[in-house]
Amino acid sequence: QVQLVQSGAEVKKPGASVKVSCKASGYTFTSYGISWVRQAPGQGLEWMGWISAYNGNTNYAQKLQGRVTMTTDTSTSTAYMELRSLRSDDTAVYYCARDTSGEGIDYWGQGTLVTVSS
Amino acid sequence: DIQMTQSPSSLSASVGDRVTITCRASQGISNYLAWFQQKPGKAPKSLIYAASSLQSGVPSKFSGSGSGTDFTLTISSLQPEDFATYYCQQYNSYPPAFGPGTKVDIK
Repeated sequence: QVQLVQSGAEVKKPGASVKVSCKASGYTFTSYGISWVRQAPGQGLEWMGWISAYNGNTNYAQKLQGRVTMTTDTSTSTAYMELRSLRSDDTAVYYCARDTSGEGIDYWGQGTLVTVSS
Repeated sequence: DIQMTQSPSSLSASVGDRVTITCRASQGISNYLAWFQQKPGKAPKSLIYAASSLQSGVPSKFSGSGSGTDFTLTISSLQPEDFATYYCQQYNSYPPAFGPGTKVDIK
């Protein structure tokens, strides 16, 4: 069965960086993309970006351009999302999700809480 | 960028009720519309893709319709496990925006 297992919660200070991992299993990793979505406390879902696990092509949300980098390691079927220069309003639960072209997102990771606080 | 709106923002319903949620895109998105269900403290769950196709394992009480700019999600007979927040998302073009959500709670 398809599973996306994310790394554990993080607490970071403003200005620091965080790197969240998402390990995929149960399918051919390079046949799909991975989207990253975040949710601030009490708020809705915000799309952050997408990466092709096939060739590493990326597409990022404009508001995060320059601060976010998404990568994959096909040898371990793991996707990564790094966010730099963290601010308090980056405090959120970060989700990875399998993204199928034409069929959108079908499976989600369990989420990773990132707290940014001095 | 395409903007997504949902109505209502919240609704109260009883077990057994038929519930309809509307999602509107600011420009045409063909049928590239997905619906997700999220319960408190949990990851979203994918319900529908391509406006009307059920994801694997999703019960048939959920149905979606629409094309272009106007879409609906219908729950035919609301059950206790259906009380949640529902989001639509367009994936016709980048950025694939989500709607603000519709919270369905118990009357």
